[in-house]
Amino acid sequence: EAGVTQFPSHSVIEKGQTVTLRCDPISGHDNLYWYRRVMGKEIKFLLHFVKESKQDESGMPNNRFLAERTGGTYSTLKVQPAELEDSGVYFCASSLRTGRSRNTEAFFGQGTRLTVV
Amino acid sequence: DAKTTQPNSMESNEEEPVHLPCNHSTISGTDYIHWYRQLPSQGPEYVIHGLTSNVNNRMASLAIAEDRKSSTLILHRATLRDAAVYYCILRNPNTGNQFYFGTGTSLTVIP
Repeated sequence: EAGVTQFPSHSVIEKGQTVTLRCDPISGHDNLYWYRRVMGKEIKFLLHFVKESKQDESGMPNNRFLAERTGGTYSTLKVQPAELEDSGVYFCASSLRTGRSRNTEAFFGQGTRLTVV
Repeated sequence: DAKTTQPNSMESNEEEPVHLPCNHSTISGTDYIHWYRQLPSQGPEYVIHGLTSNVNNRMASLAIAEDRKSSTLILHRATLRDAAVYYCILRNPNTGNQFYFGTGTSLTVIP
């Protein structure tokens, strides 16, 4: 079974440009999360989808970031326009939909390393 | 967000057991204790999780204190491939299930 796939693995763009990151979760996983680690900092939560709906987007840093998950399958995270402080590694994770009494593991992708110059 | 506290780094000799501690004194009754690890240049990887009872799987064991305010991840025989940053995370299925990563413990395995 394929794991969580992220594309591209690396991206170098100039300040002011637009970049779109893609995440393909494990098939059948309703939960999809985006996280990022900026240089020297901890991994931080960005947002959470349940199928195509945004369950929690409290971690999105500002309105330059737009996440979508049309059809409840793959997700994209667009940064427009990119700023220098957006550089970091962006991780996607997916997990099964669980009931309140269960707690399952999440599977992370390898991440996309974004460098804004 | 429920917080966890871990040592910044630890060392272990190869093929010896490793005990990675984690304090979570503000844990709530519905928080699950998860451990993930991140190998260099990879995404975080699930290791083990539990609620109240000790847990064992093929990768590790998780020992949870009776009051649940601390836990210990046990690697029974450290190998060089176990060198990674280990994260102790509290996860609540009733509040979105997202992870709140701390700084983790960087484990060095000495050959």
